[in-house]
Amino acid sequence: KAGVTQTPRYLIKTRGQQVTLSCSPISGHRSVSWYQQTPGQGLQFLFEYFSETQRNKGNFPGRFSGRQFSNSRSEMNVSTLELGDSALYLCASSFSGAWTDTQYFGPGTRLTVL
Amino acid sequence: GQQLNQSPQSMFIQEGEDVSMNCTSSSIFNTWLWYKQEPGEGPVLLIALYKAGELTSNGRLTAQFGITRKDSFLNISASIPSDVGIYFCAGPGGSQGNLIFGKGTKLSVKP
Repeated sequence: KAGVTQTPRYLIKTRGQQVTLSCSPISGHRSVSWYQQTPGQGLQFLFEYFSETQRNKGNFPGRFSGRQFSNSRSEMNVSTLELGDSALYLCASSFSGAWTDTQYFGPGTRLTVL
Repeated sequence: GQQLNQSPQSMFIQEGEDVSMNCTSSSIFNTWLWYKQEPGEGPVLLIALYKAGELTSNGRLTAQFGITRKDSFLNISASIPSDVGIYFCAGPGGSQGNLIFGKGTKLSVKP
C-alpha cells in the first residue's frame, strides 16, 4: 500500500508570493490533516479535511487555507508569504480522523521564504 | 490550551545504553501516542496507548500510559545507531484529525 505523498518536497519563494502544496493520502483514507513544523513552535495543527469539507482549523491566520477533492487529495495554500512561514509542512491521512485512527504522515514539503 | 511538556530535550548516549523519556500534560488525555521522526521524513507512529496504566511494547520500545492520564513514558532498551531521531509524544487535540505534539526529544547514539 503506497504511503502519503507530498509534492513538491522543496520550495523556495519570496515574501508576498503565494504557494500551493499538495498531499495524496493513503488509498481509502478520507481524512487529511495539515501541520506546520518549525524549530521554535514544533508541530502545530493547521486544519483537517474530510469528504471535501474542512472540519477543524487550528490557530493560524486566514492566509492559510486548503481544500480537498473528491478523491481525498488535498491542497493547502499560503498567500502573501511572510518570512515566518518558512517551515516543514506535513500532511497526515487517516481513515476517518477519529482519535482512535492512526495518522500516517507524508515526508513533508520544506518551504523557504526569502 | 492543551500543552505537552516533553523531557529531556536531547540525549547523547552510547550504543547499548537504555533510554528513558517522558511527556506530561496539565490536562487529561484519553490517548497517548509516541512518534519518531528521522531527518527528511515525517513522523512515524511507534506506539499508541489508549488506557490508563497500559504498558505496551514494540520490539525494544516500551511505553506506558500514566495512571493519572496526565503523563506517559517511553523507554528504549539496548539502543542502536538507527534509534537516532526525534521522538515526539502526542495526544488528541479535541477535534477530529487534530493531534497535539510535544516539542520532542532528540536522541543521538554514539557507536
